[in-house]
Amino acid sequence: DADVTQTPRNRITKTGKRIMLECSQTKGHDRMYWYRQDPGLGLRLIYYSFDVKDINKGEISDGYSVSRQAQAKFSLSLESAIPNQTALYFCATSDGSGRGDTQYFGPGTRLTVL
Amino acid sequence: AQTVTQSQPEMSVQEAETVTLSCTYDTSESDYYLFWYKQPPSRQMILVIRQEAYKQQNATENRFSVNFQKAAKSFSLKISDSQLGDAAMYFCAYRSGRGAQKLVFGQGTRLTINP
Repeated sequence: DADVTQTPRNRITKTGKRIMLECSQTKGHDRMYWYRQDPGLGLRLIYYSFDVKDINKGEISDGYSVSRQAQAKFSLSLESAIPNQTALYFCATSDGSGRGDTQYFGPGTRLTVL
Repeated sequence: AQTVTQSQPEMSVQEAETVTLSCTYDTSESDYYLFWYKQPPSRQMILVIRQEAYKQQNATENRFSVNFQKAAKSFSLKISDSQLGDAAMYFCAYRSGRGAQKLVFGQGTRLTINP
């Protein structure tokens, strides 16, 4: 079984709809991240959380919100989806054990907003 | 703010040959880490190799090695004996050794392997 899972894997929605992307991990890591990938731009950080009570905005947080329901779960919401939020979304985790700890990524969610 | 630049949007190489992917970064920090991630058509982000800035020795993982030039702020990835399974998008990433320690990614290089 995968250590970091994301649901759904693919989603098509309409402008104005509320969408939630979910991330779960079995790695026991404290730190979780949400990234967005657009062609030609690489991955950009949306939000990150170091534990249940510590949530921080990333580079491109406008139009998004997050919830850390438990140590293992970190959800990303689009309150009112718009077409330029069409992208590939990744969740990642790290254990924060050292200064150079590695981030492990989920399989991604491809979101299309019509 | 730190930036990472991959100036080669696409590269191709013949199977079994060697290819080098370029990456430069901009930072005023002395404590940081650099990574190469591979993204095959499955979309999964896979860590290929990492380099600690305080280490002078270049990291190596089997057929993958890096050329880390700290003064020049350059971090290239060399793939030896290229295989069809190496075809993917490759991303260079930077991470500070302090603070939020979030990853900053380059734009990516799409690598094609010609049989």
